[in-house]
Amino acid sequence: GENVEQHPSTLSVQEGDSAVIKCTYSDSASNYFPWYKQELGKRPQLIIDIRSNVGEKKDQRIAVTLNKTAKHFSLHITETQPEDSAVYFCAASSHSGAGSYQLTFGKGTKLSVIP
Amino acid sequence: SQTIHQWPATLVQPVGSPLSLECTVEGTSNPNLYWYRQAAGRGLQLLFYSVGIGQISSEVPQNLSASRPQDRQFILSSKKLLLSDSGFYLCAWNSGFPKETQYFGPGTRLLVL
Repeated sequence: GENVEQHPSTLSVQEGDSAVIKCTYSDSASNYFPWYKQELGKRPQLIIDIRSNVGEKKDQRIAVTLNKTAKHFSLHITETQPEDSAVYFCAASSHSGAGSYQLTFGKGTKLSVIP
Repeated sequence: SQTIHQWPATLVQPVGSPLSLECTVEGTSNPNLYWYRQAAGRGLQLLFYSVGIGQISSEVPQNLSASRPQDRQFILSSKKLLLSDSGFYLCAWNSGFPKETQYFGPGTRLLVL
């Protein structure tokens, strides 16, 4: 099955600096890669996603890059703000035999933005 | 638009007691439904998923079971809770191929004492 590794597990940055979180996956058949943000005590919320036919996608201060050959993808947050502090999860989608797509999640990165 | 509900929001149960958590989705039909557990400070562990009424797939052997009695209802159950069942239980849905994005419910926080 799919295996997703996520690094680092914790990340502290000064407000205004950039943050980068990296993930690798094992299944070359995976073709959809979402990123979720989870604030303390809340549900994970989708913040950005990318498909394997695209190398990069941006949404304001957030961008995701994908290197399908190397099987890794990264989340980039620029001009970080205190409200960016949260746990971020990457995931890779694989097709199950039961006709459903499953997401395999990384273990998460706790991002702290220091004012 | 689609909405996903979970209840109860929080639950404190003694060891050995039964459990029933409910998840319902509005605004869509024939969704794929998922149950995840998240231990404190940890990642998301997929427990069960369902592609239709009465169809349940289990990801890990455990003390829990799931059922899907209606198209938009997904229930997580246990006959006897263990201390290790404590955690944050999240239900999620997607609309299936070609859309793989999963959307999470608000979650149920379970504490087993």
